[in-house]
Amino acid sequence: AQSVTQLGSHVSVSEGALVLLRCNYSSSVPPYLFWYVQYPNQGLQLLLKYTSAATLVKGINGFEAEFKKSETSFHLTKPSAHMSDAAEYFCAVSGERSGNNRKLIWGLGTSLAVNP
Amino acid sequence: DVKVTQSSRYLVKRTGEKVFLECVQDMDHENMFWYRQDPGLGLRLIYFSYDVKMKEKGDIPEGYSVSREKKERFSLILESASTNQTSMYLCASSLGLKEQYFGPGTRLTVT
Repeated sequence: AQSVTQLGSHVSVSEGALVLLRCNYSSSVPPYLFWYVQYPNQGLQLLLKYTSAATLVKGINGFEAEFKKSETSFHLTKPSAHMSDAAEYFCAVSGERSGNNRKLIWGLGTSLAVNP
Repeated sequence: DVKVTQSSRYLVKRTGEKVFLECVQDMDHENMFWYRQDPGLGLRLIYFSYDVKMKEKGDIPEGYSVSREKKERFSLILESASTNQTSMYLCASSLGLKEQYFGPGTRLTVT
């Protein structure tokens, strides 16, 4: 069965520092992978997605993620954190592609704090 | 752009009331989803629908039902609200196996 693990429920960085949010997944089929961001009291917004094309995926707001099959990882990075990046980040993997299954399997989220 | 709207941003109901949460999407997506989000528990799937009048239980369907009479609309029903259903409710839609698009959420408080 698919699963997603986000290492670190809370991450704190200084403004201008590298952001690294970790996501590991398990999947029995080639996965589709997603990163979402959620600002306070809002819904989730897609940051980027991997759908078996290029392994390095660029998203919105300067974020990118690299699919590493050997490590079953899809870590999210941004070279220089901005105060506006403070939010909750969720990693998700596509579920089993059988029947009518269109579900995503979600990690528990990582709360990113950016310190001035 | 895909737009997913939810009928209320904030809702306060009393224990035992019947509660309807409405979700509408404007992109002809076949799949629609209802999640609840609680601190430390992430997103938990309540129900999803892959076609009109078709539904499947998610991970936590107890105490909830759903209705999808039209492709663009997916309703979540709490037959008899309880305090443990106080939560943020998120609706999403998707096309095939592609990414899900989310509404702004409804923060429901049951007193």
